[in-house]
Amino acid sequence: GAGVSQSPSNKVTEKGKDVELRCDPISGHTALYWYRQSLGQGLEFLIYFQGNSAPDKSGLPSDRFSAERTGGSVSTLTIQRTQQEDSAVYLCASSFAPVSRTGASYEQYFGPGTRLTVT
Amino acid sequence: SQKIEQNSEALNIQEGKTATLTCNYTNYSPAYLQWYRQDPGRGPVFLLLIRENEKEKRKERLKVTFDTTLKQSLFHITASQPADSATYLCVYDYKLSFGAGTTVTVRA
Repeated sequence: GAGVSQSPSNKVTEKGKDVELRCDPISGHTALYWYRQSLGQGLEFLIYFQGNSAPDKSGLPSDRFSAERTGGSVSTLTIQRTQQEDSAVYLCASSFAPVSRTGASYEQYFGPGTRLTVT
Repeated sequence: SQKIEQNSEALNIQEGKTATLTCNYTNYSPAYLQWYRQDPGRGPVFLLLIRENEKEKRKERLKVTFDTTLKQSLFHITASQPADSATYLCVYDYKLSFGAGTTVTVRA
């Protein structure tokens, strides 16, 4: 079956503009996660969706960042008034099972990412 | 606070040898650990999950062990190949809380 898809694959935008990044998870996967990764760095967790709700959005860096998920499927990450420090690869992942009460998750399947460059 | 550490940032190994990576955790008893592989410019790829009541898990040339007494998981790549060169990540929670992982380079 199809894997996780993300669009666009690359996005170059001017500082101050808004951008929308899209994630299409694997069909049937209830959990969806957004991360970002700067060059040479580890993954930085942004937000976790279970269905259409976001039990944990603690990783969103500022109120310029928001995300939503509709129909328990597609998710959109929106960055308003982009800054140069927002430049990174934004990765989306999905998993079949929800996060457990202890915070553990089953395997996550990642999309190819969106490379965002803010000039 | 919960903490997970991998033994080194880089591991260089000759083709055909076994690469062994170590993941230690403190102040936490994870129900299971996961190992991922990440290639440059790509998202992580899930490799193996091992539960606390499992001593060992295998997948092709990969083997993972979980020692709850030592609070340690070992990840082995046997008969390593240049194509195994990548960064390997040990994680325990849904935030994939880990450092930059261990970068393995297999020399031909």
